[in-house]
Amino acid sequence: GAVVSQHPSRVICKSGTSVKIECRSLDFQATTMFWYRQFPKQSLMLMATSNEGSKATYEQGVEKDKFLINHASLTLSTLTVTSAHPEDSSFYICSAPPTGPDHEQYFGPGTRLTVT
Amino acid sequence: AQTVTQSQPEMSVQEAETVTLSCTYDTSENNYYLFWYKQPPSRQMILVIRQEAYKQQNATENRFSVNFQKAAKSFSLKISDSQLGDTAMYFCAFMPLGSARQLTFGSGTQLTVLP
Repeated sequence: GAVVSQHPSRVICKSGTSVKIECRSLDFQATTMFWYRQFPKQSLMLMATSNEGSKATYEQGVEKDKFLINHASLTLSTLTVTSAHPEDSSFYICSAPPTGPDHEQYFGPGTRLTVT
Repeated sequence: AQTVTQSQPEMSVQEAETVTLSCTYDTSENNYYLFWYKQPPSRQMILVIRQEAYKQQNATENRFSVNFQKAAKSFSLKISDSQLGDTAMYFCAFMPLGSARQLTFGSGTQLTVLP
């Protein structure tokens, strides 16, 4: 199946700094990518839909100025957590459906963010 | 808006036995997809099985099968001959057809296969 990568897999940052997480589709193009946040033993909560060439669509309650999303190309979306605080510590997962009729979605391996 | 409900937070099963995980959903859509995803301790999301709502035949994938009851909005997952590697969190998910392919997930069921 298709592969989605995320980088970094783990990151520790200090409170008040920003951190960027990359999501790449390695062998297919994706005009849309999704960003999720997952707290321990909980489900995936959709944060935003990343759209290539246009602005991201954020879910209710997600601060767009805090979680900056850029879909720079058909294979890359980035999530930047700005002015991170300890409550932003979580597991962030991206997913991407290939362009076309297939309704499969492929998930990245996730990024564990710890804010100290 | 769609909702997906998994009423079993935790389940356990003996190795080689069969277990069924429950999922119900609510939607006004007529055409959609349903999925079961597995998330092992590595936290990589893995597709287990999917069902197109317009297909009456229940999907099967080796030891995994579903019981899809469209009228009841029920979508349970049966795992036969359970293996230790099946230990994981299982999420039921819904996706409307023709959407931007947004998935709505249930709260998950932690399945433990006991040796």
